Amino acid sequence: DTEVTQTPKHLVMGMTNKKSLKCEQHMGHRAMYWYKQKAKKPPELMFVYSYEKLSINESVPSRFSPECPNSSLLNLHLHALQPEDSALYLCASSQEEGGSDDEQFFGPGTRLTVL
Amino acid sequence: QKEVEQDPGPLSVPEGAIVSLNCTYSNSAFQYFMWYRQYSRKGPELLMYTYSSGNKEDGRFTAQVDKSSKYISLFIRDSQPSDSATYLCAMSLSGGSNYKLTFGKGTLLTVNP
Repeated sequence: DTEVTQTPKHLVMGMTNKKSLKCEQHMGHRAMYWYKQKAKKPPELMFVYSYEKLSINESVPSRFSPECPNSSLLNLHLHALQPEDSALYLCASSQEEGGSDDEQFFGPGTRLTVL
Repeated sequence: QKEVEQDPGPLSVPEGAIVSLNCTYSNSAFQYFMWYRQYSRKGPELLMYTYSSGNKEDGRFTAQVDKSSKYISLFIRDSQPSDSATYLCAMSLSGGSNYKLTFGKGTLLTVNP
């Protein structure tokens, strides 16, 4: 099973709302990632968790707050977003063994619209 | 100079054609090379993953890496309308989450029936 699941598929929120995106994988992967993708652009890395600890934050604004409750789950908490934050938010996971089996597998994404 | 260059296309071919997609890169330290396929409004799907120079084949897809020329390619044989998607190349310095993926901009491919 090489599946990464994400919920919700679509989300519309106002600038004052608080919402969360969820990601789950059951492949035993120990690294999980959040990416942001704007239309006709490649994914941009936001955060990396390795063994449930935040290892990379790509200078993401604090209105995005990641959380890794356990090795299978990854959340992205959203608060006071701006319309320019509207994008496809992608979760990915990888084995985290530092070798040739470290492919990143992506989920289907959450399409976020901020009004 | 961007680290990874990929012609954005669009590329339009008839069904059954052989498709060649290419990326060049400037950082000779890249070791791992990937091709992802992304359908409109969906997440990227990993097609090929290689970590050495040479060819790797999987069904109708062949990935080619030439580290001496800093050039990677994806060939699609007997292309089908279902292959219509954006193809992203990606590469990293090593395996593991400490090594970011660097993506090309993606090539939009349309296979016409």
